[in-house]
Amino acid sequence: KAGVTQTPRYLIKTRGQQVTLSCSPISGHRSVSWYQQTPGQGLQFLFEYFSETQRNKGNFPGRFSGRQFSNSRSEMNVSTLELGDSALYLCASSLDLTANTEAFFGQGTRLTVV
Amino acid sequence: DQQVKQNSPSLSVQEGRISILNCDYTNSMFDYFLWYKKYPAEGPTFLISISSIKDKNEDGRFTVFLNKSAKHLSLHIVPSQPGDSAVYFCAASNWGGSQGNLIFGKGTKLSVKP
Repeated sequence: KAGVTQTPRYLIKTRGQQVTLSCSPISGHRSVSWYQQTPGQGLQFLFEYFSETQRNKGNFPGRFSGRQFSNSRSEMNVSTLELGDSALYLCASSLDLTANTEAFFGQGTRLTVV
Repeated sequence: DQQVKQNSPSLSVQEGRISILNCDYTNSMFDYFLWYKKYPAEGPTFLISISSIKDKNEDGRFTVFLNKSAKHLSLHIVPSQPGDSAVYFCAASNWGGSQGNLIFGKGTKLSVKP
């Protein structure tokens, strides 16, 4: 069974640009969550999608957005990039929202904003 | 306001001895707790979890203890092996409230010395 796939693995962008990251969850998983990891803040929740609907959102500015497609694949977008957006962006998938199911993480996309 | 705290940024243990990683939480609505292990340049890997209805869960060398009254959980690794060297994240969620997102601590870097 394939794991969570995130593309691209590495990305370098300049300030002011926008970026789109992609996540393909484990087959059969319907819930996809996004996290930002930085050395100072650790892992912080961005948003969660289930059945193409955003169910939860973390405390991030509106420049951070996402969506989920009917095949459960998800994308997140960051507009007007700032230097502080440099981080490892992790996607996690789980079966659904209601059961006590573990979240499985992808390897992440390392975004560097210069 | 950090809801999940791992107060020790690092821990060094001799091979074969016990590693004890601690985690405190403030939100009494959390009902499911997980430990993840993370190697550099990889996504977190699920290790072990515990529901709030239990006080102990064991899986091989890994045991998680939950003390609800103290809002404290710990991960015991016995015996510790050099391959256990990684960053360990404690995470909590409110599954009962359908809040599927995980709230992470900032992690504890475990070094197991041969």
